Amino acid sequence: GENVEQHPSTLSVQEGDSAVIKCTYSDSASNYFPWYKQELGKRPQLIIDIRSNVGEKKDQRIAVTLNKTAKHFSLHITETQPEDSAVYFCPGVTDKLIFGTGTRLQVFP
Amino acid sequence: DSGVTQTPKHLITATGQRVTLRCSPRSGDLSVYWYQQSLDQGLQFLIQYYNGEERAKGNILERFSAQQFPDLHSELNLSSLELGDSALYFCASSVTSGEGETQYFGPGTRLLVL
Repeated sequence: GENVEQHPSTLSVQEGDSAVIKCTYSDSASNYFPWYKQELGKRPQLIIDIRSNVGEKKDQRIAVTLNKTAKHFSLHITETQPEDSAVYFCPGVTDKLIFGTGTRLQVFP
Repeated sequence: DSGVTQTPKHLITATGQRVTLRCSPRSGDLSVYWYQQSLDQGLQFLIQYYNGEERAKGNILERFSAQQFPDLHSELNLSSLELGDSALYFCASSVTSGEGETQYFGPGTRLLVL
């Protein structure tokens, strides 16, 4: 199955700053890279995804970039707000999603 | 609201007991996935069903079983419960079972085994 490593495991930023979470994958045949967000006590939800035929995708304050050569993709959140505080996952994708423990982002006002 | 429903929301039971968790996927979705989330283990994939058939298996214990019915709802059965089975159990659904499909998660069932 696809092995994905996510860093950092925790991230604290000041409101208004940017946050970046990086994931490294091993299978060069991987072609789909989703990001899920889970707020405390709530369900995980897809927030953005990217396919291997593009290098970047943006949706308002969030963006995902993909570097196929280096086999990593990153989630960028700009102008962070307290409601961005959550656990973010970049699951490995095979015939199923392989979630790890994610990155806990805390945005301090 | 994702369109995926799970019942019950909370469940408190004793060790050794058996419980059944229920999931109704989004209308039109054929795949159902079950996940277990505990504090120290993150979100762990248990099992997937597609149109009534088991499609993929993850870290599911032998004491656990699941099925998907003709109306596509799914049930996860947990038996001989242990303290360590206390966790949040999510189900998710997707249209088919292809790679690259968005999974829509239900609100979860919080299980506490005392």
